[in-house]
Amino acid sequence: GQQVMQIPQYQHVQEGEDFTTYCNSSTTLSNIQWYKQRPGGHPVFLIQLVKSGEVKKQKRLTFQFGEAKKNSSLHITATQTTDVGTYFCAGPGGGTSYGKLTFGQGTILTVHP
Amino acid sequence: NAGVMQNPRHLVRRRGQEARLRCSPMKGHSHVYWYRQLPEEGLKFMVYLQKENIIDESGMPKERFSAEFPKEGPSILRIQQVVRGDSAAYFCASSPGTGFDQPQHFGDGTRLSIL
Repeated sequence: GQQVMQIPQYQHVQEGEDFTTYCNSSTTLSNIQWYKQRPGGHPVFLIQLVKSGEVKKQKRLTFQFGEAKKNSSLHITATQTTDVGTYFCAGPGGGTSYGKLTFGQGTILTVHP
Repeated sequence: NAGVMQNPRHLVRRRGQEARLRCSPMKGHSHVYWYRQLPEEGLKFMVYLQKENIIDESGMPKERFSAEFPKEGPSILRIQQVVRGDSAAYFCASSPGTGFDQPQHFGDGTRLSIL
């Protein structure tokens, strides 16, 4: 079945440093979504990428979708303590239903002030 | 505009008991998804339901687990004869449909602990 891999599993940065997490799928994706989960919280939708090579920005966050639509990345410029949390990528799970999502295992970001 | 409502937030059960987790989707959302999350792991899909129908239950364990989304009332995830390995956070998400522009909105989750 479809697999979505994310690296790194953990990332510790000093406040002000940049951060990047990478996502790779075993199959071509129709779209990819990114979620953020704060410690003890629930996943919150950040963005969806649909087009090959697409790049989207949200303030200090830059999201990319690979040309082959099998990989994606999230880059945070000049991290802040409010960026702490786990970042997940997710792709449509395929199979018998379009709606379910297959999540990567996430990257846990720690920001030291 | 209330978000996805899950209750209880925390549930403690002894081995062999039953656990019932409830999820009310966002207003206007007719699609419900259940996911399970173990500590420091990603979310694993369990089941996808629309009103009165199970669309995809490929992620559900074959035994002891069941889900429903009745015409009236919340979606229920039921775990019978719970075991220690069932301890996890269970998240419900909803969406108005399954189109490209319809992301899933998650509830706060139910943290299930098995003694």
